[in-house]
Amino acid sequence: GENVEQHPSTLSVQEGDSAVIKCTYSDSASNYFPWYKQELGKRPQLIIDIRSNVGEKKDQRIAVTLNKTAKHFSLHITETQPEDSAVYFCAAINDYKLSFGAGTTVTVRA
Amino acid sequence: GAVVSQHPSWVICKSGTSVKIECRSLDFQATTMFWYRQFPKQSLMLMATSNEGSKATYEQGVEKDKFLINHASLTLSTLTVTSAHPEDSSFYICSARNSGSTDTQYFGPGTRLTVL
Repeated sequence: GENVEQHPSTLSVQEGDSAVIKCTYSDSASNYFPWYKQELGKRPQLIIDIRSNVGEKKDQRIAVTLNKTAKHFSLHITETQPEDSAVYFCAAINDYKLSFGAGTTVTVRA
Repeated sequence: GAVVSQHPSWVICKSGTSVKIECRSLDFQATTMFWYRQFPKQSLMLMATSNEGSKATYEQGVEKDKFLINHASLTLSTLTVTSAHPEDSSFYICSARNSGSTDTQYFGPGTRLTVL
């Protein structure tokens, strides 16, 4: 099955700085890579996604890049704000099944 | 659109009892629903894939006789935790795939199960 690795496990940034989270996947058949933000006790919320035929996608302060050859994808958050503090999960879809990374706890210091 | 609800949002039960959790897609038809379990400070782990009108497909290591899944309609899937034990205490989250979409899954709000 698919194996998604995510780094770092924790990330502390100063407000206004950028945050970068990196993930790798194992199955070259995976073709859809969503990113989720989860606040404590709540459901994961889709914040951005990218498909395997696209290399980069941006939505305001959030961007995702995908290197299909290297099986790497990354989340970039610019101009971080305190409300960006949460746990972020990367995921990969293969045959409709989502495999999640271990998560990154992001803390934005005011 | 694309709202998924879960009921109950939290439940506390005694060891040995069974608990049923419902997952509903409110404004779309979901051919496929997924059940995840999330322990504190851990990631979401897929337990099973539920297809309307057919038997669920369980992930390796998940006991199908303990976690009974029924997907009787295009908008409802249920997960029953039978003979619950304290180690089953967890956050259970369902997701639903819109029949008209190939990839996007919409998550329910989760159910916090505590087994005493």
